[in-house]
Amino acid sequence: GENVEQHPSTLSVQEGDSAVIKCTYSDSASNYFPWYKQELGKRPQLIIDIRSNVGEKKDQRIAVTLNKTAKHFSLHITETQPEDSAVYFCAARDDKIIFGKGTRLHILP
Amino acid sequence: DTGVSQDPRHKITKRGQNVTFRCDPISEHNRLYWYRQTLGQGPEFLTYFQNEAQLEKSRLLSDRFSAERPKGSFSTLEIQRTEQGDSAMYLCASSLALTGGEQYFGPGTRLTVT
Repeated sequence: GENVEQHPSTLSVQEGDSAVIKCTYSDSASNYFPWYKQELGKRPQLIIDIRSNVGEKKDQRIAVTLNKTAKHFSLHITETQPEDSAVYFCAARDDKIIFGKGTRLHILP
Repeated sequence: DTGVSQDPRHKITKRGQNVTFRCDPISEHNRLYWYRQTLGQGPEFLTYFQNEAQLEKSRLLSDRFSAERPKGSFSTLEIQRTEQGDSAMYLCASSLALTGGEQYFGPGTRLTVT
């Protein structure tokens, strides 16, 4: 069945440094790759997405890259800030979304 | 606020009881999805509708679970004979039926089975 693997499960970075989260997916039909941020007790919020015809997308401090041949995609957060601390989920979508297991990001002061 | 609402926000029930949750999607969205999320895990797909048609159900959805969207607007998710393992956050999301159309999540219903 469809599967999305996400690494690492936990990531601690110094404030101001960059954070990178990596995901792989199994379903070749996946054509849309959203990233969600979820704070404790809240709903997942879309922070950036990339479609299968694009290799890279950037939105201020956040960027996502996609390698369809290798079936992997990554989230990059630069100049991290305390408010970036949260759980981040990658996902791959054809019709339904298949989520990764999440990365808990800690920004250290 | 994303516009997707869910009711109730919290539900505590005793094992063996039936529970029903409601989701109201964004009004122009014709797709509606149900997910389940347990602590420390990503949301897991349960089922989805396009208008009133249920197009796919996950293997996670046992016979005790049933979902409906009778008029293609709101949806209900019923769990019969609840078990402690059903305790989770149940998330609803809606989207337009476009390739890669963004899904907007509701606030979720947190179910605790005692």
